[in-house]
Amino acid sequence: AQKVTQAQTEISVVEKEDVTLDCVYETRDTTYYLFWYKQPPSGELVFLIRRNSFDEQNEISGRYSWNFQKSTSSFNFTITASQVVDSAVYFCALSEHLRDDKIIFGKGTRLHILP
Amino acid sequence: SQTIHQWPATLVQPVGSPLSLECTVEGTSNPNLYWYRQAAGRGLQLLFYSVGIGQISSEVPQNLSASRPQDRQFILSSKKLLLSDSGFYLCAWRPANTGELFFGEGSRLTVL
Repeated sequence: AQKVTQAQTEISVVEKEDVTLDCVYETRDTTYYLFWYKQPPSGELVFLIRRNSFDEQNEISGRYSWNFQKSTSSFNFTITASQVVDSAVYFCALSEHLRDDKIIFGKGTRLHILP
Repeated sequence: SQTIHQWPATLVQPVGSPLSLECTVEGTSNPNLYWYRQAAGRGLQLLFYSVGIGQISSEVPQNLSASRPQDRQFILSSKKLLLSDSGFYLCAWRPANTGELFFGEGSRLTVL
């Protein structure tokens, strides 16, 4: 069965610090997708990244970077030089394979960036 | 471009009353459709998903149901609401051949 664990319930950092949000997943499938979403105070979920199980290359997008490690079943998200606008709840999610069409989310990490 | 709408945005209902939340997607055909619920401190819980008209897969709920009467319409219902049904309900769609979900604006339900 698929499962996503975000052990950090809430994190607070001072602006300009780097912060890493952890995500650990469980799956029995060899083909799967991992996602990160951002939920700002407005409530709507914003898609950040999708990564498939065959692509272990780390990805960087501006101040955001993702570290995918199959050996530890982790897909961690790092924000460099954090800004107040990064304050939000961040969700990691897993889909075992496209045909199944089920996407399971972790419980989320609430990130506070303090000015 | 594709858009997703859900309504109502906010709802306050008494215990035991019925519920109907509606979601529609525009600009795409045969999307996969999803209902999630976000209760305080519990993350996003998958309630129902649908890969086609009349096809509903249920994950959790006892007193909630979903229907897909048209290709781009997804409805979440209840005959009798419970206090525990309070939460933020999110509809989402996903193209059948790609991975990411696109979410609606959400509906906040308070059951009193």
